Amino acid sequence: EAQVTQNPRYLITVTGKKLTVTCSQNMNHEYMSWYRQDPGLGLRQIYYSMNVEVTDKGDVPEGYKVSRKEKRNFPLILESPSPNQTSLYFCASSYRWAQTNTGELFFGEGSRLTVL
Amino acid sequence: DAKTTQPNSMESNEEEPVHLPCNHSTISGTDYIHWYRQLPSQGPEYVIHGLTSNVNNRMASLAIAEDRKSSTLILHRATLRDAAVYYCILTLSGNTGKLIFGQGTTLQVKP
Repeated sequence: EAQVTQNPRYLITVTGKKLTVTCSQNMNHEYMSWYRQDPGLGLRQIYYSMNVEVTDKGDVPEGYKVSRKEKRNFPLILESPSPNQTSLYFCASSYRWAQTNTGELFFGEGSRLTVL
Repeated sequence: DAKTTQPNSMESNEEEPVHLPCNHSTISGTDYIHWYRQLPSQGPEYVIHGLTSNVNNRMASLAIAEDRKSSTLILHRATLRDAAVYYCILTLSGNTGKLIFGQGTTLQVKP
């Protein structure tokens, strides 16, 4: 089954404790992206990757890192999480986006992160 | 950056058509118009996209104004399952990976 898988789905952590949210897709997509969703602010893009070893900042990259060492995985790294990073995070991927800015984005089910 | 403006919320009766408007007056010539929806407790899902011509698929229709400064997502017969937040999104010219979602329209469907 074609899917985007995020882990963990739920996490409660403490300020300063490094964590990684993994994202994996099994559709051979070139484009992958991370978003956070907060009440009243909608979905905001954190980072995106047009292809392996190619990443770029979205609208709200501060406090986050990403890497794209292989096509299927695009982990989101919070080196020193703070309470303002408490949010619902979504990963997405697309086959055609990198070439044409069109096509369908497939989203994961979300990861709810709480930083105390 | 190109932005979209949508009403915060709309209501519809079940089995009636729904027209969800979106204004994008600063759209560039090569920006595509995309629509996604987010059902409760789920990630967004693709609905439809277009450039200049009206588009139809199994889920909905997209009507794009001739000057491309606005568009309308049409659900031909709303069902209770269509209750969701609908996002109108523009890609950014230059084949970048940036995507701006905006606040979206919360659609309520009444039985």
